[in-house]
Formats: sequence, C-alpha cells, structure tokens
Amino acid sequence: GAVVSQHPSWVICKSGTSVKIECRSLDFQATTMFWYRQFPKQSLMLMATSNEGSKATYEQGVEKDKFLINHASLTLSTLTVTSAHPEDSSFYICSAKPLAGGLGEQFFGPGTRLTVL
Amino acid sequence: AQSVTQLGSHVSVSEGALVLLRCNYSSSVPPYLFWYVQYPNQGLQLLLKYTSAATLVKGINGFEAEFKKSETSFHLTKPSAHMSDAAEYFCAVSDGGAQKLVFGQGTRLTINP
Repeated sequence: GAVVSQHPSWVICKSGTSVKIECRSLDFQATTMFWYRQFPKQSLMLMATSNEGSKATYEQGVEKDKFLINHASLTLSTLTVTSAHPEDSSFYICSAKPLAGGLGEQFFGPGTRLTVL
Repeated sequence: AQSVTQLGSHVSVSEGALVLLRCNYSSSVPPYLFWYVQYPNQGLQLLLKYTSAATLVKGINGFEAEFKKSETSFHLTKPSAHMSDAAEYFCAVSDGGAQKLVFGQGTRLTINP
C-alpha cells in the first residue's frame, strides 16, 4: 500500500518549452502533496506544499510563476515547469501525505529527471 | 525553526560490520523524526519513524534508531551490513503540525566486500 507514482520518469526538452510532471497517489487519498527538487549528491529541497482545491504554498525563493502547481483531486498533483531553462535541470520528487492515518509521514514518488537542453 | 544535521556525508563499512549513521536535530516542539533511504535515481523509502511512542524504533531491513532527547539525536544503526544496504540515507524532522519535512544533508553508505 501507500504507493505514489510520477510521470514521466524522465524528460528531455528544449529551452523555452514547458514541461508537466504528474504525481499520483495510487491507493490512498492525499489532501497534501509536496514537491521537492534534488540536485546531484545533495539533499531534497522543498519547493512547495500543495493542498487539494487550494493554491499551493511556495517556499521562499521558489518562483511560483515558473513552477505552477495544481492539486486538482485527492490523488493527483501536477508541477509544470514553464519556459524551462538549463538551470531548471534537476531531479523532481513529489510526496503525498495520507488523508487518514500516519503522523507526519509522507510517501514519496520515484522522481522525475528533467534535462533542459 | 527545525533543522537536522547528519554527521558524515560518507560512511564506509565492511560487509557484516555495524552500521551507524548519525543524526542530530533541533526543534522547539516535540519532534517527529524519520529515516529515509534513497537508491540511485529513485525516490525515498521510509525506513522508520519516531512519533513520541517508544524511543527505540525498529524499521525495515533490520535497521533501528533510538531517540535520545537529552542528546537531541536519532542515530540509525544496523548490526550487520549487507551489500544491498549501499544507498543514500536521509534523516528528517517534522513538527507534525505543519507537516513539512526538513531533511538533513544525507549520508552515502558504502559497503565493502
């Protein structure tokens, strides 16, 4: 149980294009999903907290107009990287907090590797 | 504000030896503490968590951790390392309320044959 999927697992795009990454909780409902960014050999940096049906809360320094987050249902959140540039290349990981049960626990997706040429 | 410090960005042990990964935390409220493992190009998998119940927490794959409030520590141990334990390990803290996880810098565990 408690499986989170991400799609795509990797994507290569040209500079200036937009890329959408999906995060789904497959066997549980999640009111809250989180989006992280991870640079090589570094820790996870929280980008934003996404709550179903409301606007995402972005961490300081994260451009909300560049990283658009939509949490349309209790099982789906999307991250759109708009007008991507090479510096946006990174490993993006989402996590989901179950609606019921758990104490602060988050379940993580497998990650999406974005490469911007 | 909460923070986590993992001592040692890289730990190397021999197969069969004790694994000890260190984690110290700072929190103004009773913390929830977690250890996650990450294999290359994958997401994070929860190893174990402390949420104010028993101070000695047992997790998956033979790992355990002990919460020591006086030392503000939550070190991860395993009595006998396996080759399959080679991975990146992250300690994280949450206040339970805000639900955000704050991660340590990570420790890369290498197992020598």
